[in-house]
Amino acid sequence: GAVVSQHPSWVICKSGTSVKIECRSLDFQATTMFWYRQFPKQSLMLMATSNEGSKATYEQGVEKDKFLINHASLTLSTLTVTSAHPEDSSFYICSARPPTPPQYFGPGTRLLVL
Amino acid sequence: AQSVSQHNHHVILSEAASLELGCNYSYGGTVNLFWYVQYPGQHLQLLLKYFSGDPLVKGIKGFEAEFIKSKFSFNLRKPSVQWSDTAEYFCAVNRNSGNTPLVFGKGTRLSVIA
Repeated sequence: GAVVSQHPSWVICKSGTSVKIECRSLDFQATTMFWYRQFPKQSLMLMATSNEGSKATYEQGVEKDKFLINHASLTLSTLTVTSAHPEDSSFYICSARPPTPPQYFGPGTRLLVL
Repeated sequence: AQSVSQHNHHVILSEAASLELGCNYSYGGTVNLFWYVQYPGQHLQLLLKYFSGDPLVKGIKGFEAEFIKSKFSFNLRKPSVQWSDTAEYFCAVNRNSGNTPLVFGKGTRLSVIA
């Protein structure tokens, strides 16, 4: 199946710093990518829909100024967690959808904010 | 809004036992249905999907699922589980139109004991 990568896979940062997470579709072009957040032992919660060349669509309750999403090309979307705080510690997962479904998921990025 | 219900939070089975995990969704329109598996420490992998046609779909590793439209259900089954099936299983749904995001159930943890 199609491959989606995320970088980094694991990041630890100090409170107040910003962290950028990259999501790449390696063998297909994705006009749409999705960003999810998964808390321990819970399901994936959609944070935002990232559209190439336009602004992301955020789910209710997700702060767009805190979670900046940029979809600069058909194979790359980035999520920047600005001024991270310990409550932002979580597992962030992206998915990308080729022209025909299904969506393919990246391996996830575990963020720990100290 | 769409929602997906997985009623079993944690299922414990012995090896060779049969498995059925429930999934119900709430959306009246045409939907795409998915089951994903997340093995410990790994990312989400697609087990199987239903878009249209035969409501009984077969996936990888001996899993199958049956779409029953009248019951808004898409239960996952496997006739004989193995220890290696120990994982978290997520049912997901999206509308069958455009680049719509997946809505996930809360997941069912399957523990298979020898």
